Amino acid sequence: EAQVTQNPRYLITVTGKKLTVTCSQNMNHEYMSWYRQDPGLGLRQIYYSMNVEVTDKGDVPEGYKVSRKEKRNFPLILESPSPNQTSLYFCASKRGGGTEAFFGQGTRLTVV
Amino acid sequence: AQSVTQLGSHVSVSEGALVLLRCNYSSSVPPYLFWYVQYPNQGLQLLLKYTSAATLVKGINGFEAEFKKSETSFHLTKPSAHMSDAAEYFCAVSDRGNTPLVFGKGTRLSVIA
Repeated sequence: EAQVTQNPRYLITVTGKKLTVTCSQNMNHEYMSWYRQDPGLGLRQIYYSMNVEVTDKGDVPEGYKVSRKEKRNFPLILESPSPNQTSLYFCASKRGGGTEAFFGQGTRLTVV
Repeated sequence: AQSVTQLGSHVSVSEGALVLLRCNYSSSVPPYLFWYVQYPNQGLQLLLKYTSAATLVKGINGFEAEFKKSETSFHLTKPSAHMSDAAEYFCAVSDRGNTPLVFGKGTRLSVIA
């Protein structure tokens, strides 16, 4: 089954404790991205990657890191999480220009 | 830069009534346009997309949208609302390269029995 898999689904952590949210897709898509969803703000892009070893900042990259060492994986790293990073995070992948994006189920992160 | 405006953060309709969710985009050239639906505690699911073929696009669950270049709009409609349509709906745009999807802020649809 074609899918984007994120883990974990739920995470509560403390300020400053490094964490990684994993994302994996099995569709051989070149393009992957991370979004955060906040009430009243819709989905805002954090980082995206157009291919292996190619990443670029989205609209809200501060406080996040990503890597794309393999085509299927695109982890999101929070080196020192802060409470303002409490949010619902989505990973997405797509084949290329003009194609639909496939989304993971989301990761609800709470930073206390 | 592209942007998407969804008019109305919350729309409420009666069961069986017409659903109309509005989306306007800003783009210098006809873009690719998408509508996604998000049910509670789930990810986003594609409803339909416009990629420069027919201007009236039919999607899943009885939804359709019409691309109107003159109005830079891509409004989503459904003739008769069902309780199961209650969800959040997002309009998104991308240009013709391999570029990010830009989302609107979403419209929450409530369906009243």
